[in-house]
Amino acid sequence: DTAVSQTPKYLVTQMGNDKSIKCEQNLGHDTMYWYKQDSKKFLKIMFSYNNKELIINETVPNRFSPKSPDKAHLNLHINSLELGDSAVYFCASSSRGDYNEQFFGPGTRLTVL
Amino acid sequence: AQSVTQLGSHVSVSEGALVLLRCNYSSSVPPYLFWYVQYPNQGLQLLLKYTTGATLVKGINGFEAEFKKSETSFHLTKPSAHMSDAAEYFCAVSVTDKLIFGTGTRLQVFP
Repeated sequence: DTAVSQTPKYLVTQMGNDKSIKCEQNLGHDTMYWYKQDSKKFLKIMFSYNNKELIINETVPNRFSPKSPDKAHLNLHINSLELGDSAVYFCASSSRGDYNEQFFGPGTRLTVL
Repeated sequence: AQSVTQLGSHVSVSEGALVLLRCNYSSSVPPYLFWYVQYPNQGLQLLLKYTTGATLVKGINGFEAEFKKSETSFHLTKPSAHMSDAAEYFCAVSVTDKLIFGTGTRLQVFP
């Protein structure tokens, strides 16, 4: 059983396109996150949702829009993709109050051509 | 503001040698600290964590870390490196609703 899953694993697209990445967790957690990992492996948090409510929104371009239909799902939609959006995007989840111990998905490698 | 510094972006050891990966934190409150490992083309996996209590924390795969408040450190060690330990290692500190990650240390293990 996969605890945190993401689809797709790889995404190759042209500049200017719109794409979505989906994330699901079956751990019963109430908080979910999106991270961006650049080519130097630096991890930067983008968004966090708790019980479908946005609680963290770091300085991320408006082209990025997260959506949480329920506690177990957090999707990331990206409009007008740019070359600089190429990275690995990780979804994670945790239980609020559990020291922020986070469980990560396998990542989605986005390549913008 | 809380932060994490990992000294050494690359560490190389021989198989069987001691592994030492350094992490120093800055925190105005008692910190919750984590070490994660990332194998190539995979997500991050929790190695170990310090929340409260015993300052020497044991994790998976033979790793352990010691919380030293006086030195604001949380270094990761393993007595004997294995080839399968080659990976990227991240130290993190818990801050309100998120984790702040260090810049990572790539561990290479030579036969």
